Amino acid sequence: QVQLVESGGGVVQPGRSLRLSCAASGFTFSSYAIHWVRQAPGKGLEWVAVIRFDGSDKHYTDSVKGRVTISRDNSKNTVFLQLDTLRAEDTAVYYCVKSKKSAGLGLDYWGRGTLVTVSS
Amino acid sequence: DIQMTQSPSSLSASVGDRVTVTCQASQDITNYLNWFQQKPGNAPKLLIYDASNLETGVPSRFSGRGSGTDFTFTIDNLQPEDFATYYCQQYYSFPPAFGPGTRVDLK
Repeated sequence: QVQLVESGGGVVQPGRSLRLSCAASGFTFSSYAIHWVRQAPGKGLEWVAVIRFDGSDKHYTDSVKGRVTISRDNSKNTVFLQLDTLRAEDTAVYYCVKSKKSAGLGLDYWGRGTLVTVSS
Repeated sequence: DIQMTQSPSSLSASVGDRVTVTCQASQDITNYLNWFQQKPGNAPKLLIYDASNLETGVPSRFSGRGSGTDFTFTIDNLQPEDFATYYCQQYYSFPPAFGPGTRVDLK
């Protein structure tokens, strides 16, 4: 079955960096775009970034552009989210999400998430 | 960017009730709409895709309809395990956007 397992979250001071990982299994990883979606405590869902199945195209939400980089290693079935210059408002659970189709923006399977807390 | 709204923001219902949630897009998204269920402490789960298609394994009491800008999500015969927050999500264009959510709790 499809599994997505995020890791790398933790408590970090404002201005510092963190690298999140998402290990995937149960599907042909190299055929699907992967998204990151975040959820601040007690709040709704916010789409953050997506990377095309082959890594050739990436998109970000405006609030993280220039501070966040998404990448993937198809040989290791893993997606990464590099978070730089972190701010308090980046505090959230970060979910790794598989696209439903090989292309497109529809989401289906979600990981359990990893919590990032930005605090001094 | 396309904005998504949902109503109501919350509702109280009883087991066996029929519950309907509406979702509106700020522009035409044809049928590029998902519905997700999220229970506290859990990741969202896809219930409906392409506005009206039931995801594999999802009970048939869940349904969705609509196209263009106006969509509805319905739960028939509400079950105890259905108390959760429901989100719509458009995937017509970047950035993919979620509605603010509708919390369904026990009356």
